[in-house]
Amino acid sequence: DTAVSQTPKYLVTQMGNDKSIKCEQNLGHDTMYWYKQDSKKFLKIMFSYNNKELIINETVPNRFSPKSPDKAHLNLHINSLELGDSAVYFCASSQEGRGQYNEQFFGPGTRLTVL
Amino acid sequence: AQKITQTQPGMFVQEKEAVTLDCTYDTSDQSYGLFWYKQPSSGEMIFLIYQGSYDEQNATEGRYSLNFQKARKSANLVISASQLGDSAMYFCAMRGWYAGGTSYGKLTFGQGTILTVHP
Repeated sequence: DTAVSQTPKYLVTQMGNDKSIKCEQNLGHDTMYWYKQDSKKFLKIMFSYNNKELIINETVPNRFSPKSPDKAHLNLHINSLELGDSAVYFCASSQEGRGQYNEQFFGPGTRLTVL
Repeated sequence: AQKITQTQPGMFVQEKEAVTLDCTYDTSDQSYGLFWYKQPSSGEMIFLIYQGSYDEQNATEGRYSLNFQKARKSANLVISASQLGDSAMYFCAMRGWYAGGTSYGKLTFGQGTILTVHP
């Protein structure tokens, strides 16, 4: 009965490879997010999807391509991995609405290490 | 644009004492929300408390309270009766609502404060 789940939890790969991270939420939320936490623990939003529509794209290299097949899933595909992509990637979800308090629920994170 | 500043890289507190973690923010949004998250060494992000910009009362959740001073643009987290399990990284975050009412949730985070609780 996990609310927001991510797979895999750890991902170790070589530079230049392509990899994907999957995220699923069973909260019935309409909005999902990808955040990146760097080695200094700084968290920054990458993407936001509302009802499968891309809403926020924060100047992320186009090697990163999110895909939302339905409201409950948001995947992140990364092409041509670079050393600087090493980070923890968090998926989150929330139910958005006008003027509402909208807590974001975070997944456990995926630690990506690029060698 | 939104900005969150947490000026305390690390804080130490004795078990059972209270501690305040500082957070100041800057935004041009008329309406906004402020959040605190806890990240223990295991890595997950745990929501602690929320304060809306129009809420008249300071938010409280168990041992957590938010000292919201709108004119000073500060939203400090107060943890009362600290426990060893409170040792973690704490993040302040905010989101705004654009004119028209929705912002689709973008959270802007501060740099975080590492709290260490001593027995």
